[in-house]
Amino acid sequence: GQNIDQPTEMTATEGAIVQINCTYQTSGFNGLFWYQQHAGEAPTFLSYNVLDGLEEKGRFSSFLSRSKGYSYLLLKELQMKDSASYLCAVKDSNYQLIWGAGTKLIIKP
Amino acid sequence: ETGVTQTPRHLVMGMTNKKSLKCEQHLGHNAMYWYKQSAKKPLELMFVYNFKEQTENNSVPSRFSPECPNSSHLFLHLHTLQPEDSALYLCASSQDETLSGGATDTQYFGPGTRLTVL
Repeated sequence: GQNIDQPTEMTATEGAIVQINCTYQTSGFNGLFWYQQHAGEAPTFLSYNVLDGLEEKGRFSSFLSRSKGYSYLLLKELQMKDSASYLCAVKDSNYQLIWGAGTKLIIKP
Repeated sequence: ETGVTQTPRHLVMGMTNKKSLKCEQHLGHNAMYWYKQSAKKPLELMFVYNFKEQTENNSVPSRFSPECPNSSHLFLHLHTLQPEDSALYLCASSQDETLSGGATDTQYFGPGTRLTVL
């Protein structure tokens, strides 16, 4: 079966750095997406990786290793507004998105 | 601003009611999706429409009935639901479901309808 694993919940301190991991086992691979979802709101697109390596976008970076079936989202200089759920999703060989259950990130002052 | 709107935002209904959820996208996309989001579970894809044609129906019970009159509008008709159907129902759109990969495949979501079935 197809599976996306990510931690259920993480806690970090304002101003610090946090890394949210995602591992996947899917039938084929056509890209990995990270989304942010604040409580009661729509998931919003953060990043897309299809080749190995690090993609940096401001305070957020996303890394991919296809051989290891592994990605992480790195958030720097954490702000209180970064408190949200972070969803990892992989597009499989049929171009269907397979979703993780999300990681709830709690930022403390 | 996501460009995808959903109404209503909240809905409470009894098991014998009939109601409809509406989604509209203003992004010029050709593919639209219905997802179910339950607490602490992955997003569940329910239906996909590409160029107004239904291309996916992931074994969804017949009490959920989708309708896509054009590429900008998507409805989810609900009837005789069960309490376990209570969840957040999200609509999304993308350029085209069948693109061969790339960030242009990104799905953009509406804010969802929080459904409670009594």
